[in-house]
Amino acid sequence: DAGITQSPRHKVTETGTPVTLRCHQTENHRYMYWYRQDPGHGLRLIHYSYGVKDTDKGEVSDGYSVSRSKTEDFLLTLESATSSQTSVYFCAITDRTTGTEAFFGQGTRLTVV
Amino acid sequence: GNSVTQMEGPVTLSEEAFLTINCTYTATGYPSLFWYVQYPGEGLQLLLKATKADDKGSNKGFEATYRKETTSFHLEKGSVQVSDSAVYFCALSEDTGNQFYFGTGTSLTVIP
Repeated sequence: DAGITQSPRHKVTETGTPVTLRCHQTENHRYMYWYRQDPGHGLRLIHYSYGVKDTDKGEVSDGYSVSRSKTEDFLLTLESATSSQTSVYFCAITDRTTGTEAFFGQGTRLTVV
Repeated sequence: GNSVTQMEGPVTLSEEAFLTINCTYTATGYPSLFWYVQYPGEGLQLLLKATKADDKGSNKGFEATYRKETTSFHLEKGSVQVSDSAVYFCALSEDTGNQFYFGTGTSLTVIP
């Protein structure tokens, strides 16, 4: 199994509070992604990173920010959590060699009350 | 643009039945195609992949053939088991660009 660890695995937070989710990899892969999974929507890309300090937006980036100060860590921050951000969040990594698949973490279940 | 469309679920089958989950794609370049499986409470795991036209990916009795002419990558298994109950995602990745594109997932339940 690819070495990807997401923390925390579960979190309940109140509306308006900041929340940071962490993705840590031990594979030295260049690319890291944050997705959210919601019923009826499958996986939607929030942000991704193609190197240290290099990030870009995905299709549902509003309300989220990311940072990557080290190859192994990719942080997702909800600056002011809203109930619409209740979801399961997945981190994925790949080295993007042609045909190489993405490897996924176990997910973080976030509930905003 | 790039997109993946897969068969709506949920799908319920009896054990030993034949499974097909349809997947079609739109891509601007030459994508690699993937099937992922997600068991309850877990992340996505790669089931199989194909990197060029006419390639067949296979794993654990599942197969899918990359059909460029029909832009399809349908997942098949000849005899499903209860343990195959999961959500299946079709996905593509372009040879250029940085992203993966996923279908909405198809939930499969296999009953004894």
